[in-house]
Amino acid sequence: NAGVMQNPRHLVRRRGQEARLRCSPMKGHSHVYWYRQLPEEGLKFMVYLQKENIIDESGMPKERFSAEFPKEGPSILRIQQVVRGDSAAYFCASSPAGRAMGTGELFFGEGSRLTVL
Amino acid sequence: GEDVEQSLFLSVREGDSSVINCTYTDSSSTYLYWYKQEPGAGLQLLTYIFSNMDMKQDQRLTVLLNKKDKHLSLRIADTQTGDSAIYFCAVRRDTGRRALTFGSGTRLQVQP
Repeated sequence: NAGVMQNPRHLVRRRGQEARLRCSPMKGHSHVYWYRQLPEEGLKFMVYLQKENIIDESGMPKERFSAEFPKEGPSILRIQQVVRGDSAAYFCASSPAGRAMGTGELFFGEGSRLTVL
Repeated sequence: GEDVEQSLFLSVREGDSSVINCTYTDSSSTYLYWYKQEPGAGLQLLTYIFSNMDMKQDQRLTVLLNKKDKHLSLRIADTQTGDSAIYFCAVRRDTGRRALTFGSGTRLQVQP
């Protein structure tokens, strides 16, 4: 049973380019969360999605950042016109829905490390 | 909103016990978790506790919860060099936002 899969694991972009990070949740999970970890800092919540719905985007920067979780395919976190301050590790997590949520824990991927030159 | 705080660094000798502390502000936090992050990796759940519990023990791990003081601790008995990692405390409410709120993490260094 594969865990949460993120790709790419490492991504290098120049200032002004676009970054796309992908996340496939665990099998049977329909909730996806994106977190950002800046160097030497903790995880900051960005966005929570279910299939075709953004449930909570209170942690997303207002500009340049967007996220989607289509009916088919992985969830995508998109950063337009990247700046050096976007350099970070971006983690995706997933959880099952409804009563299957159980303890409410999140299952994390290995992260995508974005470096902006 | 929720705020979760941890000390940044802890150093112990191999074989000693480690105690990592966490405080949180939201009294409606219902589920509390400890995650471990090894270098270059994602987060793995170590253990969790519900807010109606005071203590939970799982092999070398003991979690203590003081709801009155909003204080959570993780004790690792007989700490090994393989326990060196960053430990994150996280909380979640039963209603409203489903996402977890994380502390900044405590880097545990185990010296041989």
